[in-house]
Order: sequence, then C-alpha cells, then structure tokens
Amino acid sequence: KAGVTQTPRYLIKTRGQQVTLSCSPISGHRSVSWYQQTPGQGLQFLFEYFSETQRNKGNFPGRFSGRQFSNSRSEMNVSTLELGDSALYLCASTPGQPGNEQFFGPGTRLTVL
Amino acid sequence: AQSVTQLGSHVSVSEGALVLLRCNYSSSVPPYLFWYVQYPNQGLQLLLKYTSAATLVKGINGFEAEFKKSETSFHLTKPSAHMSDAAEYFCAVRKNFGNEKLTFGTGTRLTIIP
Repeated sequence: KAGVTQTPRYLIKTRGQQVTLSCSPISGHRSVSWYQQTPGQGLQFLFEYFSETQRNKGNFPGRFSGRQFSNSRSEMNVSTLELGDSALYLCASTPGQPGNEQFFGPGTRLTVL
Repeated sequence: AQSVTQLGSHVSVSEGALVLLRCNYSSSVPPYLFWYVQYPNQGLQLLLKYTSAATLVKGINGFEAEFKKSETSFHLTKPSAHMSDAAEYFCAVRKNFGNEKLTFGTGTRLTIIP
C-alpha cells in the first residue's frame, strides 16, 4: 500500500504570496490532519478533515485554510505569507477508527523569503 | 488541555547502552499515547502506541514503553542502543476517538556515541 504523499516536497515563496500544499492519504483513510513543524514552536496541529468536513482546528490565523475532496485528498492554503510561516508542513492520515495511529507523509519544506 | 512533557531535549548514550527517553502527560482520563521517531529530512514514523489494551507496549526496532497511570508517564526504552537509533523522538497524546488532534512534546534528540 502506498504511503502518504505530499507535493511539492520543497517550495520557496516570497512574503505576501500565497501557497497551496497537497496531501494524498493512504488509500481508504478518511481523516487527514495537517501539522506545522518549526524549530521554535515544535509540532503544532493546524486542522483535521474527515469526510470533507473540518472536524478540528488548531490555533492558527485565518490565513491558514484547508479542504478535503471526495477522494480524501487534502490541500492546505496559506495566504499572505509571512517569514514566520517558513516551516515543514506535515500531513497525516488515519482510517479514523478508535486507537488507530496517524501515518505521516514526508512533509513539504516551505521557505518564505 | 492535553499536554506532554519530554524531559531532556538532548540525550547521548553509548552504543550498546540502555536508551531511556522520558515522557509525562497531563490528562484527566487515560488518553491515547504515541511515540514517533523522525530522521533528518523525513516525516514521522510511529514507534509504538498505547490504547489501554496493555500497559507495556512493544514497538518497532526493539523499543518499548510502559504506561504508568500513577506517575502519568510513558517513558520509551531500548535495552541496547544502535547507531541507527540516532534521531529525534516525539511523545504525543490524543484525547479520544473523534478527535484526531495529536499534541506533541518538544522532542528529544538522541545521539549515539560509538
């Protein structure tokens, strides 16, 4: 079974631009979560989607948004990029059943100049 | 709010020595607990998970962890360190079913001394 895939793997943007990151979960997984990893703040939860609905949301500004499609693929969007948005963005998928673990993708490394 | 505390941001052990990485959680009810490992430029890989089935949990690569409710701890151990164990380790807690949000500790970077 293929793992979680994220595209692109690396991205360089400038302040003020917007960016869209993509995540394809493991086949059959209905829940997709996004995390931001930075040296200063560590791993922080952004949001989770289950069956195309946002089920949970972390404490991030409205510039961070996401969506999930009917095939469970998910995208996250960051508008009006700031230098502090430079991070590794990780996507994780899970079947959504009790006790199931999340499977993480390799991440997208976003650099904002 | 759910949280986990990892004591020691850096731990160094000699090859062949015991590995002990500490994790304490704060929760009013037994949560789901996880240990993940991250190698450079990679995502997170699950080592093991606690879901109340057994207090001693065995994971991959020879790692295990023991859930101790009285101490609110879920420390990760491995009897004999290998060079390939050098990585960053994260303890994480998930509240319950229906809430997939993982709250992570700050991580422990493990260095293996030859």
